[in-house]
Amino acid sequence: DGGITQSPKYLFRKEGQNVTLSCEQNLNHDAMYWYRQDPGQGLRLIYYSQIVNDFQKGDIAEGYSVSREKKESFPLTVTSAQKNPTAFYLCASSTTRVGEQFFGPGTRLTVL
Amino acid sequence: DQQVKQNSPSLSVQEGRISILNCDYTNSMFDYFLWYKKYPAEGPTFLISISSIKDKNEDGRFTVFLNKSAKHLSLHIVPSQPGDSAVYFCAAINTGTASKLTFGTGTRLQVTL
Repeated sequence: DGGITQSPKYLFRKEGQNVTLSCEQNLNHDAMYWYRQDPGQGLRLIYYSQIVNDFQKGDIAEGYSVSREKKESFPLTVTSAQKNPTAFYLCASSTTRVGEQFFGPGTRLTVL
Repeated sequence: DQQVKQNSPSLSVQEGRISILNCDYTNSMFDYFLWYKKYPAEGPTFLISISSIKDKNEDGRFTVFLNKSAKHLSLHIVPSQPGDSAVYFCAAINTGTASKLTFGTGTRLQVTL
């Protein structure tokens, strides 16, 4: 079954710690994305990558970092510099067909 | 600057009736629009899309209408079913220059029995 996996589904961390969220896809998609969703808000783009070894900042990249060493994987690190890290994080991927993105199930990060 | 707006945070509709979800955009360069459906604690799933060269696209119970002059699109669900209860996001993109979607803030639809 092709799809996008994110792990873990729930993650708890202490304030001041960096944490890395996993995103893997076996859809052979070139592009991958990270979004953040907060209550009452839409999806806000953190980072995106259109090709291996290349990525661009989205609208709210401060306090986050990413890497794209493999086509299948696009991990997101939430650093201690992110002031409000508690949120629901969504990873997505897409083909070269513009627009339609496929989303993973999300990771809810809670920083205590 | 919110380029894609969904001004109704919530909507309640009776089962069997029509649900109409609205979306407005400000960027005239957007030329492709999508609707996503999202259940709590899950990722959004693609529902339906429309290109700016069309004014209507239909897929089963779901129809999206686009009014370019008004920079407005709407999603019609007929008939509404309890399983349609979810948050609906509209999204837009300029296919010529951008590879990222701009999402609205979402509308929570509740279909009541």
